[in-house]
Amino acid sequence: GNSVTQMEGPVTLSEEAFLTINCTYTATGYPSLFWYVQYPGEGLQLLLKATKADDKGSNKGFEATYRKETTSFHLEKGSVQVSDSAVYFCALFSGAGSYQLTFGKGTKLSVIP
Amino acid sequence: NAGVTQTPKFQVLKTGQSMTLQCAQDMNHNSMYWYRQDPGMGLRLIYYSASEGTTDKGEVPNGYNVSRLNKREFSLRLESAAPSQTSVYFCATRPSGVSYGYTFGSGTRLTVV
Repeated sequence: GNSVTQMEGPVTLSEEAFLTINCTYTATGYPSLFWYVQYPGEGLQLLLKATKADDKGSNKGFEATYRKETTSFHLEKGSVQVSDSAVYFCALFSGAGSYQLTFGKGTKLSVIP
Repeated sequence: NAGVTQTPKFQVLKTGQSMTLQCAQDMNHNSMYWYRQDPGMGLRLIYYSASEGTTDKGEVPNGYNVSRLNKREFSLRLESAAPSQTSVYFCATRPSGVSYGYTFGSGTRLTVV
């Protein structure tokens, strides 16, 4: 079956530090990959996505590259801000008869001034 | 352009009471989903509806029922609430196709005492 594994948090960084949140996956077929962000007290919002190998998704300074050879989709940002403090979820959709996304457990990021 | 609207936003129930959580979308999406989110457990799928007129169980359906009233609306009912159902509930929708992720509602925070 499909699965998504994220690095466990929480992650605490100082403002302007470099961020990497690791995500690896197992899936049938050729999945699409997503990163969602959840700010405190809110629902999940789509942050970025990639739909085929070597695609790079980007948004708000965040980037992730779909690496089929390593089955990974790591989230990166060059300089985090306090406002980036949130929970980040990696997810995949494989099609192949499935109707639902498969989510990782989430990684909580706290950015301190 | 409301997207996905959930009502109510907050609710406190006594054990044994019943209630219905409402979800409506104006995005003309076929698929709709109900998730619960608990600390340390990530997102768990309760029920989903791949299209109008169909519903299927997810990972944690016990204690819940759903109705796909029409293409726009997908409700979640707790017939006899239990403290274990204290959680944050999210509705989500997605269009057909491998490339698309979910759009989430803002959530219902339910406490059962």
